[in-house]
Amino acid sequence: DAKTTQPTSMDCAEGRAANLPCNHSTISGNEYVYWYRQIHSQGPQYIIHGLKNNETNEMASLIITEDRKSSTLILPHATLRDTAVYYCIVGAGGTSYGKLTFGQGTILTVHP
Amino acid sequence: GAVVSQHPSWVICKSGTSVKIECRSLDFQATTMFWYRQFPKQSLMLMATSNEGSKATYEQGVEKDKFLINHASLTLSTLTVTSAHPEDSSFYICSAYPNGRVYEQYFGPGTRLTVT
Repeated sequence: DAKTTQPTSMDCAEGRAANLPCNHSTISGNEYVYWYRQIHSQGPQYIIHGLKNNETNEMASLIITEDRKSSTLILPHATLRDTAVYYCIVGAGGTSYGKLTFGQGTILTVHP
Repeated sequence: GAVVSQHPSWVICKSGTSVKIECRSLDFQATTMFWYRQFPKQSLMLMATSNEGSKATYEQGVEKDKFLINHASLTLSTLTVTSAHPEDSSFYICSAYPNGRVYEQYFGPGTRLTVT
């Protein structure tokens, strides 16, 4: 699976949009981009995933560059409860289907 | 969204004893489940893939005789830590995805194991 690079930490003001970047320059054609988050001492929570097109759901938007080498997770109106570690993960099909390799993620702190 | 539960949420055991952790998918069937381990201030590390009705697949470096996995039904996988030692103390988390929806994994709340 391709490796991802994320900033170690980011801050965001409550009510503002949080934009979390992720680099995955070695991504291959059949690999998806997944975003999960983990609030302290809990299991990770699925946020969103995408292949080529931008995606939006009730939690967030995912913007993937045309060359697919990077992406941005957007939380449109961050709240204090969005404070968590955010993981950008790239995963493929085949025998690795469903297996997630977690990196260190980005610690997002939302402050009042 | 789908719900995955784990039991117990925390356990303390003595060195040398065995501990069983259950992972259940509450509102969906899961042919495949995954077991992760997370040490303090570290990221999750995949330990093994649990497949209903067949043997688990372990990641490199994970001792299969120490971490016994049984996936007896489409809603239950168990992880047994045998002859636990203090270095096995960790946060154990399982995940599963509804059959046909591999892109959305749902994680359990985790089990905190402390071996004294």
